[in-house]
Amino acid sequence: NAGVTQTPKFRVLKTGQSMTLLCAQDMNHEYMYWYRQDPGMGLRLIHYSVGEGTTAKGEVPDGYNVSRLKKQNFLLGLESAAPSQTSVYFCASSYGPANTEAFFGQGTRLTVV
Amino acid sequence: EDQVTQSPEALRLQEGESSSLNCSYTVSGLRGLFWYRQDPGKGPEFLFTLYSAGEEKEKERLKATLTKKESFLHITAPKPEDSATYLCAVLRAQKLVFGQGTRLTINP
Repeated sequence: NAGVTQTPKFRVLKTGQSMTLLCAQDMNHEYMYWYRQDPGMGLRLIHYSVGEGTTAKGEVPDGYNVSRLKKQNFLLGLESAAPSQTSVYFCASSYGPANTEAFFGQGTRLTVV
Repeated sequence: EDQVTQSPEALRLQEGESSSLNCSYTVSGLRGLFWYRQDPGKGPEFLFTLYSAGEEKEKERLKATLTKKESFLHITAPKPEDSATYLCAVLRAQKLVFGQGTRLTINP
């Protein structure tokens, strides 16, 4: 039972490079979320999706794009990485907001140099 | 603006020493308050959901309570394996808004 799987687990980027983080869930959840976690800032929502083919902005969406082409996958893209995007990124999924026991992945530690 | 504030930021206890963590919130029309546990290097793990003032839920040494303005996570006779960061979150629209967490250390 995999739950929520994030790839990669670690990555180092140079400023200006692009990359995509992949989140996959096998629980048939409708809702998926991307958060970033920084020391002293807690978890902040970047983007989220309420179903296949939908996406919406969270608290801190600038510099990121997302896509949800398949229900089980939610991709987070950085088009031109900046040092301010150094963080730990978490993906989560849930059945829906009214039953929001969200399941989280193990995280991706991204460093932009 | 909806806010979630947790206190203290960090707490050190001796094994067996009971205490409480606080989560205060300002949100109109609370639809749910959630507690998560996060171990170093891992994603948050769900503990409890509370929906209305007066509600309580328990799991092993943990008990969560909810009032109209705050929630408490009571830890009774903690063990070293209870050491973790505890996060609370409120449901706003379709999104979870998290507090900054309380880092709990239980010394043997």
